[in-house]
Amino acid sequence: QVQLVESGGGLVKPGGSLRLSCVASRFSFSEYYMSWIRLAPGRGLEWVSYITTSGSTMYYADSVKGRFTISRDNAKNSLYLEMSSLRAEDTAVYYCARYNYDILSGYWYFDYWGQGTLVTVSS
Amino acid sequence: QSVLTQPPSVSGAPGQRVTISCTGSSSNIGADYDVQWYQQLPGAAPKVLIFGTTNRPSGVPDRFSGSQSGTSASLAISGLQTEDEADYYCQSYDASLSGLVFGGGTKLTVL
Repeated sequence: QVQLVESGGGLVKPGGSLRLSCVASRFSFSEYYMSWIRLAPGRGLEWVSYITTSGSTMYYADSVKGRFTISRDNAKNSLYLEMSSLRAEDTAVYYCARYNYDILSGYWYFDYWGQGTLVTVSS
Repeated sequence: QSVLTQPPSVSGAPGQRVTISCTGSSSNIGADYDVQWYQQLPGAAPKVLIFGTTNRPSGVPDRFSGSQSGTSASLAISGLQTEDEADYYCQSYDASLSGLVFGGGTKLTVL
């Protein structure tokens, strides 16, 4: 079964930085787009970013553009999210998810998710 | 405020049928971008129920079905079971934002 394990969350002061990691196993990591999605208290899910297979192209939500950087290391089966200039509204559980293209139907969707890592931005 | 609007809560008795709406606009659902639905059970990671507006991944019971009309999409759950109590989220793409968007989520209570 596909496994995604996030780490790196914690308490950080406003304006601070944090780096999240996600280690993937039991699938060919380099063949899939990967994404970060967050769940803030009382605010529902919010897509944050996704990255293509080679890591050459990244997409970001407007709310994090210029502050967050997504990257991947296919040799280590790992996905990362470098977060800087953190704000209180970035407080959330951050999920790593596989962004899958279903060849038969031609649709994209998040087919596997990790358990998430909690980021709290507070002074 | 989410780009896709869902009712905060819905409820139904075991065995009944409920629907959860997801209202968008001409830049997302109304532009025929596909809709996905995710179920998040308490304490668990989200799980895909519907992709491409109407398709179910293998393993998802046919009690769950998706549809779309105009700028709205719906998730229907028939034969409600207590284990269906969860938060449900719709998701699509928004051309104005050039990004993926989620609804605010709907909490389903099985009475």
